[in-house]
Amino acid sequence: EPEVTQTPSHQVTQMGQEVILRCVPISNHLYFYWYRQILGQKVEFLVSFYNNEISEKSEIFDDQFSVERPDGSNFTLKIRSTKLEDSAMYFCASSFDRSRGETQYFGPGTRLLVL
Amino acid sequence: SQQGEEDPQALSIQEGENATMNCSYKTSINNLQWYRQNSGRGLVHLILIRSNEREKHSGRLRVTLDTSKKSSSLLITASRAADTASYFCATGEAYSSASKIIFGSGTRLSIRP
Repeated sequence: EPEVTQTPSHQVTQMGQEVILRCVPISNHLYFYWYRQILGQKVEFLVSFYNNEISEKSEIFDDQFSVERPDGSNFTLKIRSTKLEDSAMYFCASSFDRSRGETQYFGPGTRLLVL
Repeated sequence: SQQGEEDPQALSIQEGENATMNCSYKTSINNLQWYRQNSGRGLVHLILIRSNEREKHSGRLRVTLDTSKKSSSLLITASRAADTASYFCATGEAYSSASKIIFGSGTRLSIRP
Protein backbone atom coordinates (compact mmCIF):
# COMPACT_ATOMS: atom_id res chain seq x y z
CA GLU A 1 0.00 0.00 0.00
CA PRO A 2 1.43 3.43 -0.89
CA GLU A 3 2.53 5.53 2.05
CA VAL A 4 3.99 8.88 2.91
CA THR A 5 7.64 8.75 3.85
CA GLN A 6 9.71 11.27 5.77
CA THR A 7 13.41 11.79 6.33
CA PRO A 8 15.20 12.01 8.61
CA SER A 9 13.34 10.24 11.39
CA HIS A 10 15.27 12.24 13.99
CA GLN A 11 17.23 15.46 13.76
CA VAL A 12 19.16 17.30 16.43
CA THR A 13 20.29 20.84 15.66
CA GLN A 14 21.68 23.89 17.38
CA MET A 15 19.51 26.92 17.89
CA GLY A 16 19.84 29.32 14.98
CA GLN A 17 20.70 26.61 12.46
CA GLU A 18 18.66 25.88 9.36
CA VAL A 19 16.94 22.53 9.00
CA ILE A 20 15.20 20.95 6.05
CA LEU A 21 12.69 18.22 6.65
CA ARG A 22 11.85 16.03 3.71
CA CYS A 23 8.73 14.20 2.70
CA VAL A 24 7.70 12.04 -0.21
CA PRO A 25 3.90 12.15 -0.47
CA ILE A 26 1.81 9.41 -2.04
CA SER A 27 2.50 9.63 -5.74
CA ASN A 28 -0.91 10.51 -7.15
CA HIS A 29 -1.83 12.93 -4.38
CA LEU A 30 -2.30 16.61 -5.10
CA TYR A 31 -2.56 18.28 -1.71
CA PHE A 32 0.32 18.36 0.72
CA TYR A 33 0.49 19.42 4.35
CA TRP A 34 2.81 19.93 7.26
CA TYR A 35 1.69 19.56 10.86
CA ARG A 36 3.64 19.54 14.07
CA GLN A 37 3.12 18.06 17.51
CA ILE A 38 4.98 19.47 20.47
CA LEU A 39 5.54 16.77 23.06
CA GLY A 40 2.36 16.10 24.99
CA GLN A 41 0.30 18.56 22.96
CA LYS A 42 -2.14 18.53 20.07
CA VAL A 43 -1.22 18.04 16.47
CA GLU A 44 -1.22 21.53 14.92
CA PHE A 45 -1.68 22.51 11.30
CA LEU A 46 1.19 24.47 9.79
CA VAL A 47 0.63 24.78 6.06
CA SER A 48 -1.12 23.31 3.06
CA PHE A 49 0.23 23.29 -0.48
CA TYR A 50 -1.48 22.75 -3.79
CA ASN A 51 -0.53 23.42 -7.38
CA ASN A 52 2.94 24.61 -6.36
CA GLU A 53 1.79 27.25 -3.99
CA ILE A 54 0.71 27.65 -0.40
CA SER A 55 -3.05 27.32 -0.03
CA GLU A 56 -3.34 28.07 3.62
CA LYS A 57 -1.02 28.61 6.55
CA SER A 58 -1.44 28.95 10.28
CA GLU A 59 -0.11 31.71 12.50
CA ILE A 60 2.66 29.33 13.53
CA PHE A 61 3.98 29.34 9.96
CA ASP A 62 5.89 32.61 10.12
CA ASP A 63 8.71 33.94 7.97
CA GLN A 64 11.12 31.41 9.43
CA PHE A 65 9.24 28.61 7.70
CA SER A 66 9.05 27.83 4.02
CA VAL A 67 7.87 24.91 1.92
CA GLU A 68 8.90 23.74 -1.48
CA ARG A 69 8.18 21.00 -3.95
CA PRO A 70 11.53 20.97 -5.73
CA ASP A 71 10.68 18.10 -8.03
CA GLY A 72 7.79 15.77 -8.79
CA SER A 73 8.15 13.71 -5.67
CA ASN A 74 9.64 15.61 -2.72
CA PHE A 75 7.95 18.12 -0.46
CA THR A 76 10.16 19.96 1.99
CA LEU A 77 9.76 22.12 5.07
CA LYS A 78 12.60 24.50 5.84
CA ILE A 79 13.09 26.26 9.12
CA ARG A 80 15.59 29.04 8.52
CA SER A 81 16.79 29.80 12.02
CA THR A 82 15.58 27.26 14.53
CA LYS A 83 14.42 28.21 18.00
CA LEU A 84 14.15 26.03 21.08
CA GLU A 85 10.37 26.09 20.76
CA ASP A 86 10.58 24.53 17.30
CA SER A 87 11.39 21.22 18.99
CA ALA A 88 8.53 18.95 18.02
CA MET A 89 7.47 16.04 15.87
CA TYR A 90 6.81 17.25 12.33
CA PHE A 91 4.35 15.32 10.22
CA CYS A 92 3.90 15.51 6.50
CA ALA A 93 0.55 14.49 5.04
CA SER A 94 -0.99 14.23 1.62
CA SER A 95 -4.43 13.81 0.15
CA PHE A 96 -5.71 13.13 -3.31
CA ASP A 97 -8.43 15.63 -3.76
CA ARG A 98 -11.10 17.44 -1.81
CA SER A 99 -13.81 15.63 -3.69
CA ARG A 100 -12.50 12.28 -2.51
CA GLY A 101 -13.44 13.01 1.06
CA GLU A 102 -10.14 14.57 2.00
CA THR A 103 -8.62 11.63 3.79
CA GLN A 104 -5.17 12.77 4.78
CA TYR A 105 -2.43 10.19 5.04
CA PHE A 106 0.38 10.98 7.39
CA GLY A 107 4.01 10.06 7.33
CA PRO A 108 5.83 8.63 10.35
CA GLY A 109 7.16 12.03 11.36
CA THR A 110 10.52 13.69 11.94
CA ARG A 111 11.41 14.33 15.55
CA LEU A 112 13.28 17.63 15.69
CA LEU A 113 15.24 18.60 18.77
CA VAL A 114 16.68 22.10 18.95
CA LEU A 115 19.41 22.59 21.54
CA SER B 1 -11.76 28.31 19.33
CA GLN B 2 -11.23 24.74 20.43
CA GLN B 3 -12.22 22.17 17.84
CA GLY B 4 -12.33 18.43 18.14
CA GLU B 5 -12.16 17.87 21.86
CA GLU B 6 -12.13 14.24 22.89
CA ASP B 7 -13.69 12.75 25.93
CA PRO B 8 -12.51 11.07 28.05
CA GLN B 9 -8.88 12.19 28.12
CA ALA B 10 -7.85 8.73 29.29
CA LEU B 11 -9.59 5.38 29.29
CA SER B 12 -8.45 2.06 30.73
CA ILE B 13 -10.43 -1.09 30.02
CA GLN B 14 -10.03 -4.84 30.17
CA GLU B 15 -9.07 -6.70 27.04
CA GLY B 16 -12.18 -7.89 25.28
CA GLU B 17 -14.34 -5.00 26.44
CA ASN B 18 -15.62 -2.26 24.15
CA ALA B 19 -14.08 1.20 24.19
CA THR B 20 -16.04 4.31 23.37
CA MET B 21 -14.43 7.67 22.77
CA ASN B 22 -16.28 10.88 22.04
CA CYS B 23 -15.37 13.99 20.13
CA SER B 24 -17.09 17.36 20.11
CA TYR B 25 -16.45 20.23 17.75
CA LYS B 26 -17.68 23.77 17.25
CA THR B 27 -17.76 24.76 13.60
CA SER B 28 -19.48 23.36 10.50
CA ILE B 29 -17.51 20.52 9.01
CA ASN B 30 -17.11 18.66 5.73
CA ASN B 31 -15.88 15.52 7.40
CA LEU B 32 -14.47 14.08 10.57
CA GLN B 33 -11.57 11.66 10.71
CA TRP B 34 -10.27 9.44 13.47
CA TYR B 35 -6.57 8.68 13.81
CA ARG B 36 -4.54 6.44 16.08
CA GLN B 37 -1.09 7.26 17.38
CA ASN B 38 1.08 4.79 19.18
CA SER B 39 3.38 6.40 21.70
CA GLY B 40 5.76 8.78 19.95
CA ARG B 41 4.93 7.39 16.54
CA GLY B 42 3.08 8.49 13.42
CA LEU B 43 -0.61 9.03 12.87
CA VAL B 44 -2.54 6.16 11.38
CA HIS B 45 -5.77 6.99 9.61
CA LEU B 46 -8.64 4.86 10.88
CA ILE B 47 -11.84 6.12 9.34
CA LEU B 48 -13.42 9.17 7.74
CA ILE B 49 -17.07 10.06 8.02
CA ARG B 50 -18.61 12.77 5.87
CA SER B 51 -20.98 15.39 7.18
CA ASN B 52 -23.91 13.75 5.37
CA GLU B 53 -23.22 10.35 6.92
CA ARG B 54 -24.45 9.22 10.31
CA GLU B 55 -22.61 5.97 10.89
CA LYS B 56 -19.71 4.08 9.41
CA HIS B 57 -18.06 0.75 10.13
CA SER B 58 -14.62 -0.60 9.48
CA GLY B 59 -13.77 -3.96 11.02
CA ARG B 60 -14.04 -3.56 14.80
CA LEU B 61 -14.49 0.19 14.50
CA ARG B 62 -17.80 1.99 14.46
CA VAL B 63 -18.01 5.75 14.07
CA THR B 64 -21.11 7.85 14.48
CA LEU B 65 -21.61 11.48 13.62
CA ASP B 66 -24.33 13.77 14.92
CA THR B 67 -24.00 17.12 13.18
CA SER B 68 -26.91 18.60 15.14
CA LYS B 69 -24.95 18.00 18.36
CA LYS B 70 -21.59 18.57 16.70
CA SER B 71 -20.30 15.33 18.09
CA SER B 72 -18.85 12.02 17.01
CA SER B 73 -18.06 8.77 18.73
CA LEU B 74 -15.57 6.01 18.02
CA LEU B 75 -16.40 2.55 19.28
CA ILE B 76 -13.79 -0.18 19.29
CA THR B 77 -15.36 -3.56 19.93
CA ALA B 78 -13.64 -6.56 21.49
CA SER B 79 -10.55 -4.56 22.39
CA ARG B 80 -7.06 -6.06 22.15
CA ALA B 81 -3.76 -5.15 23.76
CA ALA B 82 -2.61 -3.80 20.39
CA ASP B 83 -5.37 -1.18 20.53
CA THR B 84 -3.46 0.62 23.28
CA ALA B 85 -2.73 4.04 21.76
CA SER B 86 -3.94 7.62 21.64
CA TYR B 87 -6.95 8.29 19.47
CA PHE B 88 -7.62 11.65 17.88
CA CYS B 89 -10.52 13.08 16.01
CA ALA B 90 -9.76 15.64 13.35
CA THR B 91 -12.27 17.83 11.60
CA GLY B 92 -12.20 19.24 8.12
CA GLU B 93 -13.88 22.62 8.30
CA ALA B 94 -16.63 23.36 5.82
CA TYR B 95 -15.14 26.58 4.51
CA SER B 96 -11.47 25.75 4.54
CA SER B 97 -9.88 26.32 1.15
CA ALA B 98 -7.48 23.42 1.19
CA SER B 99 -8.86 20.85 3.53
CA LYS B 100 -6.69 21.42 6.56
CA ILE B 101 -7.82 19.29 9.47
CA ILE B 102 -7.90 20.34 13.08
CA PHE B 103 -7.01 17.81 15.74
CA GLY B 104 -8.38 17.37 19.18
CA SER B 105 -6.36 16.62 22.28
CA GLY B 106 -6.91 12.90 22.03
CA THR B 107 -7.98 10.04 24.26
CA ARG B 108 -5.28 7.79 25.70
CA LEU B 109 -6.63 4.27 25.60
CA SER B 110 -5.02 1.54 27.67
CA ILE B 111 -6.07 -2.07 27.33
CA ARG B 112 -5.36 -4.21 30.39
CA PRO B 113 -4.56 -7.87 29.71
